[in-house]
Amino acid sequence: DTAVSQTPKYLVTQMGNDKSIKCEQNLGHDTMYWYKQDSKKFLKIMFSYNNKELIINETVPNRFSPKSPDKAHLNLHINSLELGDSAVYFCASSYGDREKNIQYFGAGTRLSVL
Amino acid sequence: KNQVEQSPQSLIILEGKNCTLQCNYTVSPFSNLRWYKQDTGRGPVSLTIMTFSENTKSNGRYTATLDADTKQSSLHITASQLSDSASYICVVSAKGSNYQLIWGAGTKLIIKP
Repeated sequence: DTAVSQTPKYLVTQMGNDKSIKCEQNLGHDTMYWYKQDSKKFLKIMFSYNNKELIINETVPNRFSPKSPDKAHLNLHINSLELGDSAVYFCASSYGDREKNIQYFGAGTRLSVL
Repeated sequence: KNQVEQSPQSLIILEGKNCTLQCNYTVSPFSNLRWYKQDTGRGPVSLTIMTFSENTKSNGRYTATLDADTKQSSLHITASQLSDSASYICVVSAKGSNYQLIWGAGTKLIIKP
């Protein structure tokens, strides 16, 4: 199946732990994103990579570090997890014209920090 | 401040009925406006995208309108089906800043049989 896939789907962990979320797309897209969807359901952009180069880096704590080993992968590593990090994290990808490109989303990773 | 507001917050209608969802935005400079559908437990899926010069766009039973002067958009769903139950999110792209997307909180639509 062609898609944006992220793992794991659910992640439950203790405060202070370090965790990673992986994302892969097989759509041949050149841009990938990480979004956070909070309890109020707003999606907020965190990071965006184009051809492995960081192009958007919103004001997120530096405990969050994206890594793009190649165009098809964008992983998110989170250090020293806090209660406020609990949210759904979505990976997305797009191709071409940055103004009108359509973003394709993964199914999300629901992170619960206890 | 760039913002997107949607109404109503939630809506329940009977299967087969029509409905209209509203979106107001204060994003400047405006590039385009999109509507996404997000099923429970899934990522958003694009329905329509409209630029400044487009005032209506359809995708099957979904019809989006845009009034760039009043900065308002609507999404009309015709002959609703149970599978239309989802959150519908209005998203506005601002020129500059890498055309970042400003997301509304969505309208949660429930279709009852």
